[in-house]
Amino acid sequence: DAGVTQSPTHLIKTRGQQVTLRCSPKSGHDTVSWYQQALGQGPQFIFQYYEEEERQRGNFPDRFSGHQFPNYSSELNVNALLLGDSALYLCASSQKSGWYSNQPQHFGDGTRLSIL
Amino acid sequence: AQSVAQPEDQVNVAEGNPLTVKCTYSVSGNPYLFWYVQYPNRGLQFLLKYITGDNLVKGSYGFEAEFNKSQTSFHLKKPSALVSDSALYFCAVRPSGSARQLTFGSGTQLTVLP
Repeated sequence: DAGVTQSPTHLIKTRGQQVTLRCSPKSGHDTVSWYQQALGQGPQFIFQYYEEEERQRGNFPDRFSGHQFPNYSSELNVNALLLGDSALYLCASSQKSGWYSNQPQHFGDGTRLSIL
Repeated sequence: AQSVAQPEDQVNVAEGNPLTVKCTYSVSGNPYLFWYVQYPNRGLQFLLKYITGDNLVKGSYGFEAEFNKSQTSFHLKKPSALVSDSALYFCAVRPSGSARQLTFGSGTQLTVLP
């Protein structure tokens, strides 16, 4: 049973460029959340997707956008990249039935994004 | 707003000794509390959770955590540390019965010395 998979594992971009990160949730999961983890910090919630719609959003600018596909996979897009966007981007999946319950999220290994 | 504090950036312990990684939280209402572990260049792995009931929660790899409501703490413990336990540990919280996302602490780097 495959867990959460993310691609690519590493990415190098320059300021002002745009980037797309991809995530496939764990089998049986229908909800995808994205987190940004800067060096030396804990993960910060970006947004959550369910039924192809953004359901919740953290304190991130509109440069961060996403999409969820009918097969529950998801993309994170970041426009006009800044040096401060350099971080590990983590995808986590869960089931909608777990939103209000105690079920933990399952995390992928992340995409390391470096901005030059 | 909910928040988590992990007061120690680094914890060092000798192999075979007990370990404690501290966590305090702030949340409206009753909390759901979680501990995750992160190894280098990897994502977060779930260790254990507190939802309700017994204040002592047992999890994976021999870890346990003690919930203390009056002190708003959820410290992670293990009776006998292994070198392989060396990793980055995160405490996280969200209000019970809420769809709000997890709020993580800043992490504690645990180093177990042989």
